[in-house]
Formats: sequence, structure tokens, C-alpha cells
Amino acid sequence: DQQVKQNSPSLSVQEGRISILNCDYTNSMFDYFLWYKKYPAEGPTFLISISSIKDKNEDGRFTVFLNKSAKHLSLHIVPSQPGDSAVYFCAASARGQNFVFGPGTRLSVLP
Amino acid sequence: KAGVTQTPRYLIKTRGQQVTLSCSPISGHRSVSWYQQTPGQGLQFLFEYFSETQRNKGNFPGRFSGRQFSNSRSEMNVSTLELGDSALYLCASSLIPGAYNEQFFGPGTRLTVL
Repeated sequence: DQQVKQNSPSLSVQEGRISILNCDYTNSMFDYFLWYKKYPAEGPTFLISISSIKDKNEDGRFTVFLNKSAKHLSLHIVPSQPGDSAVYFCAASARGQNFVFGPGTRLSVLP
Repeated sequence: KAGVTQTPRYLIKTRGQQVTLSCSPISGHRSVSWYQQTPGQGLQFLFEYFSETQRNKGNFPGRFSGRQFSNSRSEMNVSTLELGDSALYLCASSLIPGAYNEQFFGPGTRLTVL
């Protein structure tokens, strides 16, 4: 049973528009969340994180929102750029345990 | 600062063989984790090493093993390969173990089992 789910395997967005990537989790003990971006033939790179004591974290064009009651988080990219085309992984962790990753969402930003 | 390096980058083996993959962490990083990535499954945690000791292990059969050397370099071994072992194997390093440390990933080793 997957503890971290990304129900959209792929997403296409026009350049300049907002991209919203979603992630759901089942383990209420998770208290720290990360988003990673992965280009082909490269390892994942850290994008942004959020702790369960916050409901929003912003870094430039990237904002992560956390809804603890719904066990849901989302990554917003505004404005989307063609260079954002990649696979995005959501990951969650409970203190002292290793990260559990979702299956990823492939984002395509169309020029 | 050099990133995480993994060798080889690509590997083709046949069923029943065994394989060893290598990972060199970022200089100064002492924690190394291994992940298996397959389509639709995302990254599955294999194990984590710190100071030459296995700190955590994921839910993989005993055919998957690893070790870490005194210079923090790590190897993972898969014995009696099966077709389902075909995957991208990623190594990640961090300064110290623990859920709150960001991990830096290598490019991975693409293993194909025929």
C-alpha cells in the first residue's frame, strides 16, 4: 500500500500558466515533506520542503501548500517555463525514518 | 564541490548473475542511501549506511545487500538477478543520517537484466 500517492502520472501546461502538482499521503506521522525534480539521465534534485508546522512555503516561482487535515500537499509553479518540464517526486518523512517517495508526476510545459 | 558519482552508469546482465554498483558521496558526506526506481513505483528505499554501518533497510529480499567503506564510499550488490531487478538504482548522500537532511542524488546506474 503506497503511503505517498501522486495520482496524476502526467500533466501538460502552457508556458506562463500555473502548474499544480498534487500529492496525498496516508501516514499521519509524516511531519516533513519534500519535492524533488528529476530530468532524464540525472538524479533527482531537491526543490522545496515544508514542515508540518507550516501550511505554506514559498521559494521564487515555487510554492508548496500543506493541508494536514486532508493529508494533501501541492506544488504550485508560477509562471511555468519550458525548463520546468521534468518528473516531480513528492516525498514524506516521519522523524527518525527515511523518506517515502511518491511515484512521480511528469510535467510538460508547452511553449 | 564534486557531486555524487555512481559507476557504472549502464549495465546489462543476464538472469542469475550478480552485480555490484558503486557510489562515491559528496566529500564530507558520511551518510549514503540507495534507492530503486522503476516506472510507476517511484523511488523505493533500499538501505542507508552511516559510518560503515547499515542504519536502515527497506523491504527488499536478501539478494540485495550493501556496504560502506571507511572513506564513505558505498557499494550495493544484487545476487541471483531476476528480470524484475531491471531498474535505475540511485544513490544519495547527506552530511548525517536522519529524515531532515536533504539528500543529494547521483545520476544513477541503469541496470538491465535480460
